[in-house]
Amino acid sequence: AQSVTQPDIHITVSEGASLELRCNYSYGATPYLFWYVQSPGQGLQLLLKYFSGDTLVQGIKGFEAEFKRSQSSFNLRKPSVHWSDAAEYFCAVGPNTGTASKLTFGTGTRLQVTL
Amino acid sequence: AAGVIQSPRHLIKEKRETATLKCYPIPRHDTVYWYQQGPGQDPQFLISFYEKMQSDKGSIPDRFSAQQFSDYHSELNMSSLELGDSALYFCASSSPRGRNGYTFGSGTRLTVV
Repeated sequence: AQSVTQPDIHITVSEGASLELRCNYSYGATPYLFWYVQSPGQGLQLLLKYFSGDTLVQGIKGFEAEFKRSQSSFNLRKPSVHWSDAAEYFCAVGPNTGTASKLTFGTGTRLQVTL
Repeated sequence: AAGVIQSPRHLIKEKRETATLKCYPIPRHDTVYWYQQGPGQDPQFLISFYEKMQSDKGSIPDRFSAQQFSDYHSELNMSSLELGDSALYFCASSSPRGRNGYTFGSGTRLTVV
């Protein structure tokens, strides 16, 4: 069964500082990997996704993530955080079966940005 | 670009009442998923439909049922509502094979009082 672990429940960074949110997954083969962002009471917005190919994926809002098969990780990074980035971030995994299948989410990391 | 439309945005029901949530997927998306997100929780998969047939089932209570119609919209029916059903209910849709990612709607916030 697929699973996702986000070890950091809450992270606080200063505006302008760099950010890395950790995500580890468990899956028997190469999965589909996603990062979503959620503001309070809002929906889930897709930041970026990895299916295959280049292991460094660029997303929206200046985010990027790197797929590392050897570490079963898909960490999200941003070189300079803005106050508007404060939100909940979810890593998700879906099976790479060639058909659309449900996603399994991590428990989320809440990002707080201090000015 | 068209997004996933969910209605209503907010819903308040009393215990033991019924509720119906609707989801309209992105055009040409043939798969619909329902997720439930409790306060401070991650989204939990409930059920999905592919080409109007149930394709997968998660932790959906027996009191809940869902279906996908010929126009691909989906409805989640919830009966005998309990206080613990209060949550954000998300619908997502995906294209065949899911390679374009899963697009989520803005959710329906259900409050059971």
